[in-house]
Amino acid sequence: GAGVSQTPSNKVTEKGKYVELRCDPISGHTALYWYRQSLGQGPEFLIYFQGTGAADDSGLPNDRFFAVRPEGSVSTLKIQRTERGDSAVYLCASSSGTGTSGYEQYFGPGTRLTVT
Amino acid sequence: DQQVKQNSPSLSVQEGRISILNCDYTNSMFDYFLWYKKYPAEGPTFLISISSIKDKNEDGRFTVFLNKSAKHLSLHIVPSQPGDSAVYFCAATVNSGGSNYKLTFGKGTLLTVNP
Repeated sequence: GAGVSQTPSNKVTEKGKYVELRCDPISGHTALYWYRQSLGQGPEFLIYFQGTGAADDSGLPNDRFFAVRPEGSVSTLKIQRTERGDSAVYLCASSSGTGTSGYEQYFGPGTRLTVT
Repeated sequence: DQQVKQNSPSLSVQEGRISILNCDYTNSMFDYFLWYKKYPAEGPTFLISISSIKDKNEDGRFTVFLNKSAKHLSLHIVPSQPGDSAVYFCAATVNSGGSNYKLTFGKGTLLTVNP
């Protein structure tokens, strides 16, 4: 079956521009997570959705970052007024969200964002 | 403040030998631990996990050991194969009673298995 997909795979943008990153989770997975991986670091949690609602956005670094999941499936991470420090790989993961299998998150290939 | 630490950035072993990857954590609230493997240009792939109520979990060539008193876990791969060459991430989470299992990752260890 299809895994988690993310588009675009690469995005180059100029400082100050607005970007949108899309995540298509595994069908039927209710839990969706966004992470950010900077060079030489492990992924860092940004935001968690259970269904349509953002149940935990404690990892978003500031109010330039926002994410939505309007129909409980596809999610979009939005970054306003991009800064060079936003350059990273943005990873999306989904899980069934229930029981012990809820611990296992399936990751997409990521979107590499470069802000020039 | 790194709550999950992988102090070895890289490890090189010979094919057929044992690979041991280590991970330490500081947050005593963590109650579930996972190892992920990552190849270049791909997302992390789940490998194996362990609950804090256990001290060992085995799956084929992969075994994870947990020492709660030392806040230490390790991943053993035996025998190591060249296809195991990848970055390995240790991750931890807290079961807060809901369904939010956000992961806290270490920085990763690059494993190279030489033929």
